[in-house]
Amino acid sequence: AQSVAQPEDQVNVAEGNPLTVKCTYSVSGNPYLFWYVQYPNRGLQFLLKYITGDNLVKGSYGFEAEFNKSQTSFHLKKPSALVSDSALYFCAVRRSGSNTPLVFGKGTRLSVIA
Amino acid sequence: DAGVTQSPTHLIKTRGQQVTLRCSPISGHKSVSWYQQVLGQGPQFIFQYYEKEERGRGNFPDRFSARQFPNYSSELNVNALLLGDSALYLCASSLRGLSGRGETQYFGPGTRLLVL
Repeated sequence: AQSVAQPEDQVNVAEGNPLTVKCTYSVSGNPYLFWYVQYPNRGLQFLLKYITGDNLVKGSYGFEAEFNKSQTSFHLKKPSALVSDSALYFCAVRRSGSNTPLVFGKGTRLSVIA
Repeated sequence: DAGVTQSPTHLIKTRGQQVTLRCSPISGHKSVSWYQQVLGQGPQFIFQYYEKEERGRGNFPDRFSARQFPNYSSELNVNALLLGDSALYLCASSLRGLSGRGETQYFGPGTRLLVL
């Protein structure tokens, strides 16, 4: 079975400071990992994904994520937070090579304070 | 290009009624998946369709059904609505089925269903 844990319900960060949103996963075999962002009353927007290769993945809006196989983590990062980054962030996992759907974490609410 | 579109945006129903939600995928995408997002939780998988065939089903009762049409649009039907069916229903499309290499799913804005 696949699962995702986002250990923080809420992350607060000052504008201009670096931000990290944590994600750990559990899957048998190799994972495909995704980050999505959800703004109020909106669907999910794709930010980035890890399939294979370079452990550091760069995505939209200056976000990046680092895949760490030994720690089974895929933390989302941004060097300098913007107030407009305030939203709900979801990490998701799929088992590679299989016809399995995305399994999402519960989400982390990011609040960037001016 | 238009993204994934869903209709209606909001819906209010009473217990026991039936509801149909609609989804149009991104042009050229052949796979549609449905997810239910209850307040405070991440989306949960309901169905996946690829090339008009059901390719996956989540842990939802038989009251939930779906289909995909020749133009790749999709409908989700829920019968005998319960209060617990109140949620945001998200449709996601992808170019190919989920067995594809790292296939990305793109989500629509969702339909918010309230069951009274």
